[in-house]
Amino acid sequence: AQKVTQAQTEISVVEKEDVTLDCVYETRDTTYYLFWYKQPPSGELVFLIRRNSFDEQNEISGRYSWNFQKSTSSFNFTITASQVVDSAVYFCALMAARSNFGNEKLTFGTGTRLTIIP
Amino acid sequence: GAVVSQHPSWVICKSGTSVKIECRSLDFQATTMFWYRQFPKQSLMLMATSNEGSKATYEQGVEKDKFLINHASLTLSTLTVTSAHPEDSSFYICSARTGNVDQPQHFGDGTRLSIL
Repeated sequence: AQKVTQAQTEISVVEKEDVTLDCVYETRDTTYYLFWYKQPPSGELVFLIRRNSFDEQNEISGRYSWNFQKSTSSFNFTITASQVVDSAVYFCALMAARSNFGNEKLTFGTGTRLTIIP
Repeated sequence: GAVVSQHPSWVICKSGTSVKIECRSLDFQATTMFWYRQFPKQSLMLMATSNEGSKATYEQGVEKDKFLINHASLTLSTLTVTSAHPEDSSFYICSARTGNVDQPQHFGDGTRLSIL
């Protein structure tokens, strides 16, 4: 069984502060993919990043960075110099790459609601 | 690129009505499409997975006869909520993916369904 845990249900920070969103996952599969999605108030989910289980390199994209630690089964997301537009619900998700193509499930965490205070 | 359009964005209808929601991949061919349901302030729950030209695979606890899914082409999937009741009110989101499993799912804007 797969499981994604986002222990932080809500976080509020003042604009320009850095903030880290935690994600811990469980899977028995050796090959899997991790994702982060952003859901602004309008409702659509915006894809942010994909990381496969063989690539533990951290990634930086502008103010966003991701820290993948296989040893602790964590895939944390940091926003540097936060802005009001970063306010949203952020979901971490896991997908195992099984042989039954087309039926892989994307398991979502419960999400972290991030509020950036101007 | 990778735009998914979902229509309608908001539906309000009477109990007993059947409602059809469309999900279209506008600039790519979606070999696999997914339908999710999201209750307020909760995570997304996968309802079913559909591959073009095949019957959808439903998750445990999801009624096939209640939620009819059709994926007739590589750019269109539809979800029909048959004889909808107030407990079916929710936010329904589709996603689409092309190619291999390592490709990300791209999501539509969602449909807010309210059954009176």
